Amino acid sequence: EPEVTQTPSHQVTQMGQEVILRCVPISNHLYFYWYRQILGQKVEFLVSFYNNEISEKSEIFDDQFSVERPDGSNFTLKIRSTKLEDSAMYFCASPGLVSTDTQYFGPGTRLTVL
Amino acid sequence: GENVEQHPSTLSVQEGDSAVIKCTYSDSASNYFPWYKQELGKRPQLIIDIRSNVGEKKDQRIAVTLNKTAKHFSLHITETQPEDSAVYFCAATSGYSTLTFGKGTMLLVSP
Repeated sequence: EPEVTQTPSHQVTQMGQEVILRCVPISNHLYFYWYRQILGQKVEFLVSFYNNEISEKSEIFDDQFSVERPDGSNFTLKIRSTKLEDSAMYFCASPGLVSTDTQYFGPGTRLTVL
Repeated sequence: GENVEQHPSTLSVQEGDSAVIKCTYSDSASNYFPWYKQELGKRPQLIIDIRSNVGEKKDQRIAVTLNKTAKHFSLHITETQPEDSAVYFCAATSGYSTLTFGKGTMLLVSP
């Protein structure tokens, strides 16, 4: 399976603080996705990013969230002022090199908001 | 938007038995249906997928069937083993679009 990496693996923050989650997707792909999974629940789409622009976002992805590509390979998800309900696993995903339909997930960042 | 329903929410089988998980989708434009296995605390891992131009696909002990007319697809695991125990998610998408996931099925395989 192609390699998608994420950092940090676990982030603990105080409510109201800003957090930045990082991902390195499979190289040479213009498409990129962020998903969220609250403990014990299903995986939910947050935002997709294509060619340095947001192509689609869900209603979860409100003004508190932003996504950027600060350099050629890394992507970031920023939550400006975290809330308790932002506690979840955050996964980035990238299409494969052969099949562009397929999405491969990174190992995730567990965000805990206290 | 797409809506994916998945059943059952939990499934307990004895080692060696077969397990079947079923999903339905709502958007007729969806044409790609992956299945992910997620072990506790780990990422969802793709185990098999099917596209709308085929009705069945098999990979060793795992198979997926698709009925486009009825908008449902199923995962079949034969000769289950304890290491098959995990949460399984179905999903649907229309290509370069977001994956819509079902709520997951917790499969427990008892030795």
